[in-house]
Parts: sequence; structure tokens; C-alpha cells
Amino acid sequence: DVKVTQSSRYLVKRTGEKVFLECVQDMDHENMFWYRQDPGLGLRLIYFSYDVKMKEKGDIPEGYSVSREKKERFSLILESASTNQTSMYLCASSETGGESYEQYFGPGTRLTVT
Amino acid sequence: AQKVTQAQTEISVVEKEDVTLDCVYETRDTTYYLFWYKQPPSGELVFLIRRNSFDEQNEISGRYSWNFQKSTSSFNFTITASQVVDSAVYFCALHRPRGAQKLVFGQGTRLTINP
Repeated sequence: DVKVTQSSRYLVKRTGEKVFLECVQDMDHENMFWYRQDPGLGLRLIYFSYDVKMKEKGDIPEGYSVSREKKERFSLILESASTNQTSMYLCASSETGGESYEQYFGPGTRLTVT
Repeated sequence: AQKVTQAQTEISVVEKEDVTLDCVYETRDTTYYLFWYKQPPSGELVFLIRRNSFDEQNEISGRYSWNFQKSTSSFNFTITASQVVDSAVYFCALHRPRGAQKLVFGQGTRLTINP
């Protein structure tokens, strides 16, 4: 089974702190994604990566950056956390190819910025 | 632009009732994929089904069935004889191949099955 793990289930940070959210997948997937989930808004894509050191902005990249130094690991960085970044963050991975492959999700990190 | 609308924010039914979750999508592409995911209280989204735009056959998997109609741009999900374990948030999503591997999600429908 594909396993996507995220470093923390719950995280509380102060405004202005630099925050790192880590995601690891064990299926050698090329694609990795970071989403945030907010009530009434569904999941919105922050960033995704289609290869090591490659990244593309999603729909809401402002205030975030990412890092992918190894194929299995994709990090989301909040350079200076703000209260409006309080949310559930979900990481996902998928294969790549001609078709569309399902994404496999981690359990999520619920981040609270105070 | 691509968009997915799940107009039902919350649904609550009694166990053993049938329930249908609606999904309406917008896209200009002729080739695309539609997905349904389930998010139980544990938080991890679980893949349920993928359907491509050229396959309009309805699909049944146990108590779950999906009705894809291109004419109305809908991809509805029905649970027959619902059970308490079906309680979750359900998301419909749209993906366009050949391009960025991005899923566009609907807002989600919170389904509560009461015993």
C-alpha cells in the first residue's frame, strides 16, 4: 500500500514564526502536492512538484514556499506564519504518465497560528 | 476555467436510507477525468473512483454507484442502504490530463448517517 506520512498531526505556532511541514511517500511517486483544506472551500492546491528540485505554483502559493531535495520528501514552508494560515494541510503523491492517476493523501496536519 | 460544484454542504439521513451526493463540473476540455474521494474523521482522503470523459457507463461497486452524464456535466454518487461507517466528507474532483497534474476539488459534502 502507498503510504504518505506527514510529520505532525497537530501544530501550534506563533505569528511570525517560520514553519516547516514535512511529507514523505514510500511509493517512488514522481508527483507530490500540498493542499490546504478550509470549511466551505474544499481543497486548494498550494504547490506541487513533478520531480526532484522541480516545483510549480498552485492556486494559492502566496505566503508559502516548498522544497523537494529528495524524491520521497516534499516540504512546505511558511516563511512568516500568519493567523490566516491556520488550516488543515494535506500532502499527496501520485504517479505520472499519459493518464490521470489518483492521488494518495497523508493524514493531514492541523496548523493553528496564534 | 475549471470548476467543481457540490451544492449540498451537509446531508443527514437515517441508516439504511439511500443517499445521492451531487457533483456538477465545468470544463472546456473534451478529455478529462473525474474523481470521488472520501474523507473519514481520521482526515486522510481515500480514493473511491476515477472516470474518464469518454466512458459514460454507470459504475457500481457494492453499495456505491456513480452516474456520469456529460449532457448535464454531472457525476453523482449514490450510496444504497447507507451505514454509519459511510459518515464522512465526500469530495468530487476534476482533472485535466496533458498539463499540470492538478486536481480541482469541489467544496465537499458532509454526510452523516444516523443509527
